[in-house]
Amino acid sequence: GAVVSQHPSWVICKSGTSVKIECRSLDFQATTMFWYRQFPKQSLMLMATSNEGSKATYEQGVEKDKFLINHASLTLSTLTVTSAHPEDSSFYICSAWGRQGVDSPLHFGNGTRLTVT
Amino acid sequence: AQKITQTQPGMFVQEKEAVTLDCTYDTSDPSYGLFWYKQPSSGEMIFLIYQGSYDQQNATEGRYSLNFQKARKSANLVISASQLGDSAMYFCAMREFTSGTYKYIFGTGTRLKVLA
Repeated sequence: GAVVSQHPSWVICKSGTSVKIECRSLDFQATTMFWYRQFPKQSLMLMATSNEGSKATYEQGVEKDKFLINHASLTLSTLTVTSAHPEDSSFYICSAWGRQGVDSPLHFGNGTRLTVT
Repeated sequence: AQKITQTQPGMFVQEKEAVTLDCTYDTSDPSYGLFWYKQPSSGEMIFLIYQGSYDQQNATEGRYSLNFQKARKSANLVISASQLGDSAMYFCAMREFTSGTYKYIFGTGTRLKVLA
């Protein structure tokens, strides 16, 4: 149980275009989702906390106009990288708490590798 | 200031020996949670162990135990009887409520290599 599905697994786009990444909780309701960015051999950097029905809370240094997060339902959160540039190339991971809430471990999507050419 | 600090970028341990991976944290939330995850080369995140800030006893899960020293704000992971399959990246993470929202922050990680 507590499966998080993330799509696409990888995407290549041209500089200046926008890319949407979807994160779905398949068998549970996720009121809170976390979006991370991970560089090779580095840690997960929290980009934003996404709460269903409200605006996402972005971490300092993360451009909210560039990384648009929408959490329209209890099972879906999306991250849109707008006007992507090569420096946005990275591995993006979404995650959500399981049914036990804040004391439960995160369930992670499989990540999206974004390459901007 | 770093919220989660892992000072050991890399560690080696002999197979069947125990190893301690260090983690210190900083938060003003009195009700926080601490987690350890393992990330093998395949990339998936594997949950290992959890410690709540109000838990009186150190958490244990099989060969994993968490040495929780609240006053020192440390939550070190102890892996007993290391196995070759334990070679991976290990992340300490903290869940806190701050500035009106939950945050779930990861440390920089420790790469563990188990030697045969």
